[in-house]
Amino acid sequence: DAKTTQPPSMDCAEGRAANLPCNHSTISGNEYVYWYRQIHSQGPQYIIHGLKNNETNEMASLIITEDRKSSTLILPHATLRDTAVYYCIVRVGGFGNEKLTFGTGTRL
Amino acid sequence: DTAVSQTPKYLVTQMGNDKSIKCEQNLGHDTMYWYKQDSKKFLKIMFSYNNKELIINETVPNRFSPKSPDKAHLNLHINSLELGDSAVYFCASSRDRLPNEQFFGPGTRLTVL
Repeated sequence: DAKTTQPPSMDCAEGRAANLPCNHSTISGNEYVYWYRQIHSQGPQYIIHGLKNNETNEMASLIITEDRKSSTLILPHATLRDTAVYYCIVRVGGFGNEKLTFGTGTRL
Repeated sequence: DTAVSQTPKYLVTQMGNDKSIKCEQNLGHDTMYWYKQDSKKFLKIMFSYNNKELIINETVPNRFSPKSPDKAHLNLHINSLELGDSAVYFCASSRDRLPNEQFFGPGTRLTVL
């Protein structure tokens, strides 16, 4: 799985959009970008994933650059409950490749 | 209802003891996992089971033995506990098709004295 690079921490004012960047310059064509978050000491929580198109769900939006070497997770209206460590993970999707390799993440 | 549950939530034990952590999922998923999060907060996969068969073993010591009696359960048995085994252990599950999102349990904090 490709390596990812994230800033160690970010601040965001409540009510504003939080934009969390992730660099994955060695990503392969069949690797997906996944985002998880871990609130305090709880189990990680899936947020969103994408391959090359931008994606949006009820929690967040994922913007992937055209060359796929970086992406941005957007929390449109961040609140105190979004305080967590956010992990950007790149891996091949599908059966047999379920391993998630967590980095150090971004503390928001 | 809790999707992925683990018992116990806290486990304090002496070095050399043998202990088990249980995990159950009611999501109908085929794949289950064990992850370990150490004191530095690094989260690493240990094992993965699909339909009761081991498919990922990340060079975990033989003292750790996962057991899957059925698709909904994946228990973790640890023999001869060492100080370095102190960590939070998370169980997770997923289905076999995209997005393969993994659902994590609340974690079991193991402290070895």
